[in-house]
Amino acid sequence: EAQVTQNPRYLITVTGKKLTVTCSQNMNHEYMSWYRQDPGLGLRQIYYSMNVEVTDKGDVPEGYKVSRKEKRNFPLILESPSPNQTSLYFCASSFLRGGQYFGPGTRLTVT
Amino acid sequence: AQKVTQAQTEISVVEKEDVTLDCVYETRDTTYYLFWYKQPPSGELVFLIRRNSFDEQNEISGRYSWNFQKSTSSFNFTITASQVVDSAVYFCALRETSGSRLTFGEGTQLTVNP
Repeated sequence: EAQVTQNPRYLITVTGKKLTVTCSQNMNHEYMSWYRQDPGLGLRQIYYSMNVEVTDKGDVPEGYKVSRKEKRNFPLILESPSPNQTSLYFCASSFLRGGQYFGPGTRLTVT
Repeated sequence: AQKVTQAQTEISVVEKEDVTLDCVYETRDTTYYLFWYKQPPSGELVFLIRRNSFDEQNEISGRYSWNFQKSTSSFNFTITASQVVDSAVYFCALRETSGSRLTFGEGTQLTVNP
């Protein structure tokens, strides 16, 4: 089944404790991206990647890191999470000009 | 910079009514892509349609139709004979071909009442 998977789906952590949210797709898509969704602000792009070893900043990259060592994986890293990073996070993938397919979301709470 | 505006924050209709969700965009590019996504109460994001800027033909898919008007920078979405299962947040999005950043509007919460 073609899909985008994210793990974990729910995470509660404390300020400053490094965490990684994994994202994997099995559709051989070149393009992958991370978004955060906050009430009243809609979906905002954090980082995106056009292919392996190619990443670029979206609209709200501060406090996040990504890597794209393999085509199928695009982990999101929070080196030192803060409460303002409490949000719902989505990973997405697509062919370069196609519609993006989203993962199920990761609800992160930073206390 | 690219921008997408969905002026309708919330819309409430009664089942079987037709409803149109507005989307207005801004871009300096002459070529770009427009998208609509649906987010039902369960939270997942579902891709509905992609339209490129060269193709101004309207599209119909069952009860869904999309009206792309380049002259007014609008890409509106109409649901005909709405159903309760159409209740969701709908997002319009824009991607310029000069880059790959995808910009979403703030979404329209559609509630269809029985």
